[in-house]
Amino acid sequence: EPEVTQTPSHQVTQMGQEVILRCVPISNHLYFYWYRQILGQKVEFLVSFYNNEISEKSEIFDDQFSVERPDGSNFTLKIRSTKLEDSAMYFCASSDDSRLAGRNEQFFGPGTRLTVL
Amino acid sequence: AQRVTQPEKLLSVFKGAPVELKCNYSYSGSPELFWYVQYSRQRLQLLLRHISRESIKGFTADLNKGETSFHLKKPFAQEEDSAMYYCALTLRTGANSKLTFGKGITLSVRP
Repeated sequence: EPEVTQTPSHQVTQMGQEVILRCVPISNHLYFYWYRQILGQKVEFLVSFYNNEISEKSEIFDDQFSVERPDGSNFTLKIRSTKLEDSAMYFCASSDDSRLAGRNEQFFGPGTRLTVL
Repeated sequence: AQRVTQPEKLLSVFKGAPVELKCNYSYSGSPELFWYVQYSRQRLQLLLRHISRESIKGFTADLNKGETSFHLKKPFAQEEDSAMYYCALTLRTGANSKLTFGKGITLSVRP
């Protein structure tokens, strides 16, 4: 069964450094998402992406964050200058066109644990 | 703004006992409600949604609009049900709609 994959599984970085988290969504999916979960807190929406542009973003998703789908398969989240409070588990998700599939299920990747020192 | 509340952090029961994981939401419209589950060292995965009205792995959840609740129930818990359970909602039934999650609850089923 196809799955969303994410790399790396764990990223350690110094405060102020740029990081890129990578995701490969399920191949026929059209909608892509990033969520994060700070340790002990709830899973929070960051951004959704469709047709090569951001559809919606949360207050968390400020100018330090960006997303792109550079090659039609990878979906990346970049944090330009990491802060201590960016330490979290970052989940990528994808979904198909529910109007065709008759459902609205987001499939999640295993997550990337980002640790900012 | 929409909000999902899961009032308990942990529920510990013995195998065979009934389980009810509580979820309340606040939203004035008609959201779509979900339960996601995360087993140990596995990814978040959809357990069930209110629209499909189905029973998955013996779990059911009924949307009560009057009480704005979507509690997850199972009459007889199994050890393999031990996991983290998240209640979530989206504001519209189409695709490309963000999920708003509750804080989650750890279900521990003891032998």
